[in-house]
Amino acid sequence: AQTVTQSQPEMSVQEAETVTLSCTYDTSESDYYLFWYKQPPSRQMILVIRQEAYKQQNATENRFSVNFQKAAKSFSLKISDSQLGDAAMYFCAYRSVIGGSEKLVFGKGTKLTVNP
Amino acid sequence: DGGITQSPKYLFRKEGQNVTLSCEQNLNHDAMYWYRQDPGQGLRLIYYSQIVNDFQKGDIAEGYSVSREKKESFPLTVTSAQKNPTAFYLCASSLIGRSPLHFGNGTRLTVT
Repeated sequence: AQTVTQSQPEMSVQEAETVTLSCTYDTSESDYYLFWYKQPPSRQMILVIRQEAYKQQNATENRFSVNFQKAAKSFSLKISDSQLGDAAMYFCAYRSVIGGSEKLVFGKGTKLTVNP
Repeated sequence: DGGITQSPKYLFRKEGQNVTLSCEQNLNHDAMYWYRQDPGQGLRLIYYSQIVNDFQKGDIAEGYSVSREKKESFPLTVTSAQKNPTAFYLCASSLIGRSPLHFGNGTRLTVT
């Protein structure tokens, strides 16, 4: 079974600075998807960014980018120019693409605090 | 607007009572999911369904039951057999394959 590990329960960053959140995963599959979700205090789950395992190029969405290291099974999220609205829980997630196993497996999350 | 609706937002029950959480989606998604969220535990999968009239147990299915009679609906029943039912419950849906999950706003269940 796949597992996702987020080793940083909490992180903090100064407004306008850059922060990187770590995520590692364990799988024997070669094709899969990885996601970062954000959960603000409202508790709504918001998709931040996704990465397809067969693509070598790292995904980027505005101020959010990932560092995907497939061999190391690492999928970190970098937030540039941090804003107060980035404060939230961030969850890393893995999704298999094998038929019948397409559930999303989540890490335990990293709580990000943004200091003004 | 398309989306996922969970109701109610807050639910209170006495211990020993079964309770059903509602989840409806109008995104025409085939797959639907129920997750439980506890502090420090992340999201854990309870049940999921990829097609009407079929569903599979997730990692923590004991004490829960589901049905999928319609594509749009995937209600979750928390039975009296669930030892620690107080939690935040999230419903999600997706297309089959390579798409992300879309989440509802959640239901906070408190059992006393």
